[in-house]
Amino acid sequence: SQQGEEDPQALSIQEGENATMNCSYKTSINNLQWYRQNSGRGLVHLILIRSNEREKHSGRLRVTLDTSKKSSSLLITASRAADTASYFCATDTDNSGGSNYKLTFGKGTLLTVNP
Amino acid sequence: DADVTQTPRNRITKTGKRIMLECSQTKGHDRMYWYRQDPGLGLRLIYYSFDVKDINKGEISDGYSVSRQAQAKFSLSLESAIPNQTALYFCATSDRRTGPQETQYFGPGTRLLVL
Repeated sequence: SQQGEEDPQALSIQEGENATMNCSYKTSINNLQWYRQNSGRGLVHLILIRSNEREKHSGRLRVTLDTSKKSSSLLITASRAADTASYFCATDTDNSGGSNYKLTFGKGTLLTVNP
Repeated sequence: DADVTQTPRNRITKTGKRIMLECSQTKGHDRMYWYRQDPGLGLRLIYYSFDVKDINKGEISDGYSVSRQAQAKFSLSLESAIPNQTALYFCATSDRRTGPQETQYFGPGTRLLVL
């Protein structure tokens, strides 16, 4: 079963606008990660936020985490056509110090940035 | 990511055939994973391995088997392929030594069609 659920399923914006995607999850986590997938290709890691962090930045990316609401958001500022891709959140639900680490992925948000 | 390679990249097979998908990595990572991706369902974990002698079932292991021949190689087999195994298959790796910042690196994927 899916741990993370992204919202919306699809988002279409104009170049230069900001894009916000949300992720909700069900159980407690150690960290939450966001990945990007260009059409039909492998996923690429974007950013990781730990459960004791509330916000993190990387270039045009801003991630927030609210563990009380079990939710995260990914903001892409000043979007570009090249940002067109699917974006997935993934959670690490390991509570045994890393010995059984694995990720559970959501279904993704398809972002289309129109030139 | 060129450090994680998958062969073949595309495969068409018939119902009942046995096929093997191969994954190799030059990243020196100890952990390897096999996922399948279906439209609208995101990524689901099939099997994962934390070391050469370690094999673990994931969320959807029925109908699949794996072999970890060496630290750098992790193969996925479909013993008797069926049409609902038509999907995009990804191999991924991660490094236990990165601790709480552990992220996964994906191969380019294998597109499998079972007729």
